Amino acid sequence: GDSVTQMEGPVTLSEEAFLTINCTYTATGYPSLFWYVQYPGEGLQLLLKATKADDKGSNKGFEATYRKETTSFHLEKGSVQVSDSAVYFCALINTNSGYSTLTFGKGTMLLVSP
Amino acid sequence: DTAVSQTPKYLVTQMGNDKSIKCEQNLGHDTMYWYKQDSKKFLKIMFSYNNKELIINETVPNRFSPKSPDKAHLNLHINSLELGDSAVYFCASSPGTSGGETQYFGPGTRLLVL
Repeated sequence: GDSVTQMEGPVTLSEEAFLTINCTYTATGYPSLFWYVQYPGEGLQLLLKATKADDKGSNKGFEATYRKETTSFHLEKGSVQVSDSAVYFCALINTNSGYSTLTFGKGTMLLVSP
Repeated sequence: DTAVSQTPKYLVTQMGNDKSIKCEQNLGHDTMYWYKQDSKKFLKIMFSYNNKELIINETVPNRFSPKSPDKAHLNLHINSLELGDSAVYFCASSPGTSGGETQYFGPGTRLLVL
């Protein structure tokens, strides 16, 4: 079945540091890929997405590129802020299944200190 | 206006009780979902409805019964609550069932079974 693997957290960074959160996936066909963010005590918000190979999703300074050859969708940000502290989820939807439910990774907690 | 809303936000109850969680979306979407987030933050699909019809039931115990009175509402009723049901339950919606569509999440219902 489909699966998503993310790096274990927490990731602890100082403000203005460079961020990378690794994400790889296993799926048949051509899934769509997503990054969701969950701030403390809140629900999930879509951060960015990419629906086909080599697409780059970007939002709020975050970027991720759909790499089919390495089955990866790593999240990057050039300069993190304290307000970026949250849990980040990589996810996919596999249209081969006929339905559009999200398969999530286990989440990576990011802690940014001033 | 809140796009996807859930009530209640917190629910504390005793083992063996029956409880319901309500979800409403005002986005005009056709498809709604219930996800469960366990204590380790892992998210997993439980149910999906499209135009009031159940399309996905992911091996959830039959103590859990979703009901969709109309496209804008998807409620979750849980009978004979068990300790292991303690989790955060998220409702989500999307325009349809094609793969690249964004799912919009509610704020979550934090259920604690004592």
